Amino acid sequence: AQTVTQSQPEMSVQEAETVTLSCTYDTSESNYYLFWYKQPPSRQMILVIRQEAYKQQNATENRFSVNFQKAAKSFSLKISDSQLGDTAMYFCAFISGNQFYFGTGTSLTVIP
Amino acid sequence: ETGVTQSPTHLIKTRGQQVTLRCSSQSGHNTVSWYQQALGQGPQFIFQYYREEENGRGNFPPRFSGLQFPNYSSELNVNALELDDSALYLCASSLKGQGAIEAFFGQGTRLTVV
Repeated sequence: AQTVTQSQPEMSVQEAETVTLSCTYDTSESNYYLFWYKQPPSRQMILVIRQEAYKQQNATENRFSVNFQKAAKSFSLKISDSQLGDTAMYFCAFISGNQFYFGTGTSLTVIP
Repeated sequence: ETGVTQSPTHLIKTRGQQVTLRCSSQSGHNTVSWYQQALGQGPQFIFQYYREEENGRGNFPPRFSGLQFPNYSSELNVNALELDDSALYLCASSLKGQGAIEAFFGQGTRLTVV
C-alpha cells in the first residue's frame, strides 16, 4: 500500500524559532521522490523541498531542511527562523507512477 | 505564482447536476493531473491526461471524466453531482519524460454541492 501519515494535525511556533513537522510513509518502490508542499490560504500548493530517495544527503532549501531516514520511512521537515509567512498547511507527499500520494497535512501557525 | 490557471475559482451546484472545471497548464508542459481535496484531507488523485489520452486513474467512479486539448489545457467533468463531491479540485501540470517530478499546481476550484 502507498500511504503517507502525518500525525500532527496542528502545530504552532514562535516567530524566529525552529519547528519540525513529522511524516512517515509506506511504499514498495525502491526509488522514489519525497516532497513537502505548502498550501497557504490562497489554496495553491507550493513546493517547499524535494528529496530523491537514492540520495543519502538530506535536502536543504534556505530555511527548510529535511531529515530523511529511508530504512524507517521517515521524512520530517525542519523550518528554521520561522516567519509569519510560513503559516500554512504543510503536506508530505511522494510520487509513485503517475500520481502523488499526500498525507492529511499539518496546519502550522507562526505566532508573532 | 505558477503558470497553471484554473476556472472558475468557486461555484455552487445542486445535487444531480453536472459541472465542468477547466485548467490551463504551464507553458511547455504536456501533462495534466487532477486531484480532489476534501475538507481537512490531502489531495486525492483523480486521473492524469497526456497527449489527449487518460494516462492513469485513481479510485473515482466513471462519472468523473476528463479531456485534454491539443494546447494541453484540460477539463474535468463530473456528472450526477453528489454532496460528497464538495471539495477543492486541483490541477497540476508537468512535463512527461521527467516523470511528475516538476509538477506545478493551480489555485484550485472550490466546488460546493447543495
